[in-house]
Amino acid sequence: AQTVTQSQPEMSVQEAETVTLSCTYDTSENNYYLFWYKQPPSRQMILVIRQEAYKQQNATENRFSVNFQKAAKSFSLKISDSQLGDTAMYFCAFGTSGSRLTFGEGTQLTVNP
Amino acid sequence: ETGVTQTPRHLVMGMTNKKSLKCEQHLGHNAMYWYKQSAKKPLELMFVYNFKEQTENNSVPSRFSPECPNSSHLFLHLHTLQPEDSALYLCASSQDLGGVNNEQFFGPGTRLTVL
Repeated sequence: AQTVTQSQPEMSVQEAETVTLSCTYDTSENNYYLFWYKQPPSRQMILVIRQEAYKQQNATENRFSVNFQKAAKSFSLKISDSQLGDTAMYFCAFGTSGSRLTFGEGTQLTVNP
Repeated sequence: ETGVTQTPRHLVMGMTNKKSLKCEQHLGHNAMYWYKQSAKKPLELMFVYNFKEQTENNSVPSRFSPECPNSSHLFLHLHTLQPEDSALYLCASSQDLGGVNNEQFFGPGTRLTVL
């Protein structure tokens, strides 16, 4: 069974600074997909960024980027120029071609003014 | 309506009540999910449906009864709940159960309070 671990239950960052959220996973699969989801306070969970394991290039979406280290089974999310609206719970998720997503326990990120 | 919708958004019920949560997805997806999200706890997957058939039940108590009449609708029937069942109940859908299309789209959730 696949497992996803987010070792940082809570993090905080000052506005305009950069923060990195950690995620590790365990799998014997070679082809899989990784996702970061964001759940703002009292708002809907939305996808932030996704990475296909076969792609060596790290995915980026504006201020959000990932550091995907396949050999280390690590998938961290970097948020640059943090904004107050980035305050949310962030979930890392893992999926393969034959199964639904497995989510990590989440990291509560607070951006301070 | 677009995406995944859930009704009601808030529900308060007594332990002897019977109520239902409704989820509808307007994305043409084939898989649907129920999650429970309690304060300070991880997401708990409850049920998975694929093409209307239940493929996963993660040891959920029988006081929670899911129903999936078609690929667009998912219900969670509630009866004789306990106060510890108070939580945010999230519905999600995905194009397929796995593969490149297994990105899940979430609804806004139903905030349930059991008195």
